[in-house]
Amino acid sequence: AQRVTQPEKLLSVFKGAPVELKCNYSYSGSPELFWYVQYSRQRLQLLLRHISRESIKGFTADLNKGETSFHLKKPFAQEEDSAMYYCALSSGSSNTGKLIFGQGTTLQVKP
Amino acid sequence: DAMVIQNPRYQVTQFGKPVTLSCSQTLNHNVMYWYQQKSSQAPKLLFHYYDKDFNNEADTPDNFQSRRPNTSFCFLDIRSPGLGDAAMYLCATSRDGRGTAKLFFGSGTQLSVL
Repeated sequence: AQRVTQPEKLLSVFKGAPVELKCNYSYSGSPELFWYVQYSRQRLQLLLRHISRESIKGFTADLNKGETSFHLKKPFAQEEDSAMYYCALSSGSSNTGKLIFGQGTTLQVKP
Repeated sequence: DAMVIQNPRYQVTQFGKPVTLSCSQTLNHNVMYWYQQKSSQAPKLLFHYYDKDFNNEADTPDNFQSRRPNTSFCFLDIRSPGLGDAAMYLCATSRDGRGTAKLFFGSGTQLSVL
């Protein structure tokens, strides 16, 4: 069964500290992995996707197929990073683009 | 410049009284999705349209229906809302539905059932 697991409901760090939001997935094929973010009173939006191998707002994520993980990292957290973060999975061969979401992790960056 | 618009932002209905939520998009995207998100849970896909083709998820209750009269609009109909249907309903679009596609979300409609 396809599944995305985010083990932490809440991650609280101080400004300037490193951040790692964990994501593990279960999928038998070749998945596409994404991180979506929801800032306070804003809509859910794409942060980054593994296929792009990009760094957005200082965040990076590496797909580790051996560990079936796609952890989101940032070396120095900023207060404006406080938000809800969702890891999501899509079938790489899909023609629907539908996503399976994890339960989300609230990142709280304290001053 | 909102691209995916959901109305209303908050909807209150009575137990068993049919309710319709609406979503419109200015992106001319082929695919439109409806997700249900209950408190502290992951968004869960109910169904999606690829153009006019309707695709229901296997575990979506029959109580939930959808219509897409044209490219821009998509509706979620709940025929007989129960207390367990209270949730945030998210509409999203993608240009072509590829597995790598970016989804664009609306702000959601928070449904309360009294």
